[in-house]
Amino acid sequence: LAKTTQPISMDSYEGQEVNITCSHNNIATNDYITWYQQFPSQGPRFIIQGYKTKVTNEVASLFIPADRKSSTLSLPRVSLSDTAVYYCLVGDKWGGGADGLTFGKGTHLIIQP
Amino acid sequence: DAGVIQSPRHEVTEMGQEVTLRCKPISGHDYLFWYRQTMMRGLELLIYFNNNVPIDDSGMPEDRFSAKMPNASFSTLKIQPSEPRDSAVYFCASSSWSSGSSEQYFGPGTRLTVT
Repeated sequence: LAKTTQPISMDSYEGQEVNITCSHNNIATNDYITWYQQFPSQGPRFIIQGYKTKVTNEVASLFIPADRKSSTLSLPRVSLSDTAVYYCLVGDKWGGGADGLTFGKGTHLIIQP
Repeated sequence: DAGVIQSPRHEVTEMGQEVTLRCKPISGHDYLFWYRQTMMRGLELLIYFNNNVPIDDSGMPEDRFSAKMPNASFSTLKIQPSEPRDSAVYFCASSSWSSGSSEQYFGPGTRLTVT
């Protein structure tokens, strides 16, 4: 049973805000939500992590509703360099075993000029 | 810190040969992870260590794969014998419990081609 579901691909334009939603209906009480970004020929890079409500850093915001069954990664004013694959992970903060370390295929975000 | 270091960056070998991939985690990190990435299956966790001890190896595909971490600054992933379906990019990552975040730092990966 997959822990997360996210779109395979998304398109947007430079300067727009992009929201990528991840579904995790079976999220457990101890689970955190973590997002990674991966550029071609590179390893994934951590973007943001949260447990509930809203988390913001210099790169993105993460919105988590009260029921925590989904989450939305928000990228403000994207540029061409934001074209990448974005992964949503759900699990105990320290993995709690391999469940929390399932990257899958992610969402391929393509930004156009 | 130089980040997570992996070697070699590229490896081409013939079916049946032994392949050894190497990883040096970030100094002070107590978790180390090995992943495999292919177009078909995406990014898969193979095994992870905590304080040099294997915690979960359920992702290791079969007995041909083995991983060791003899000390805190070095780990190897070995495939013996290698097969064409093992062709993939293999990533090593490390993280630190004491940082308060489970952020993983990935290496540049090793692109393995088995002919």
